[in-house]
Amino acid sequence: GENVEQHPSTLSVQEGDSAVIKCTYSDSASNYFPWYKQELGKGPQLIIDIRSNVGEKKDQRIAVTLNKTAKHFSLHITETQPEDSAVYFCAARARVSGNTPLVFGKGTRLSVIA
Amino acid sequence: NAGVTQTPKFQVLKTGQSMTLQCAQDMNHNSMYWYRQDPGMGLRLIYYSASEGTTDKGEVPNGYNVSRLNKREFSLRLESAAPSQTSVYFCAAARGTALNEKLFFGSGTQLSVL
Repeated sequence: GENVEQHPSTLSVQEGDSAVIKCTYSDSASNYFPWYKQELGKGPQLIIDIRSNVGEKKDQRIAVTLNKTAKHFSLHITETQPEDSAVYFCAARARVSGNTPLVFGKGTRLSVIA
Repeated sequence: NAGVTQTPKFQVLKTGQSMTLQCAQDMNHNSMYWYRQDPGMGLRLIYYSASEGTTDKGEVPNGYNVSRLNKREFSLRLESAAPSQTSVYFCAAARGTALNEKLFFGSGTQLSVL
């Protein structure tokens, strides 16, 4: 089955700097790669996702890149703000159907220092 | 529109006790999921239900049972709680179609087994 590795496990950046979180996956059939943000005391929320037919996707200060050959994808946050502090999870899914469960990485705790 | 509602929010059990975690969604989504979150382990899938009337095991199903009571409700039962089941439990729902794969999470149940 799919295995997703996520690095680093913790990341501290100064406010205004960029943050990068990287994930690798094992199943070459995976074709859907979302990123979830979990704030303290809440459930995870989807912030951005990418499918295997594109290499990059941006949404304001957040971008995700995908390298299918190397089987890795990354989350990039620019101009970080204190409200970006949270735990971030990457995930991957090999499509069988829209109901096929996601496999999550172990998470990255991002701290943005003001 | 509440989304995904989990009850209770907190629970303390003694080893060997049983209990059921409740989850309900008001989004008319097809698939529902139960995850557990432990420090350093990320989100691990316990069971999922791709549609009403079906359930499947995830990565860590031992010690748990589930019931997809109807399209709205998906419960998780611990028949004989063990300290290893101390965790934060998240229920999630997704429309489960090719273009609607976003997972909506509840706010979690924090369970302690003494």
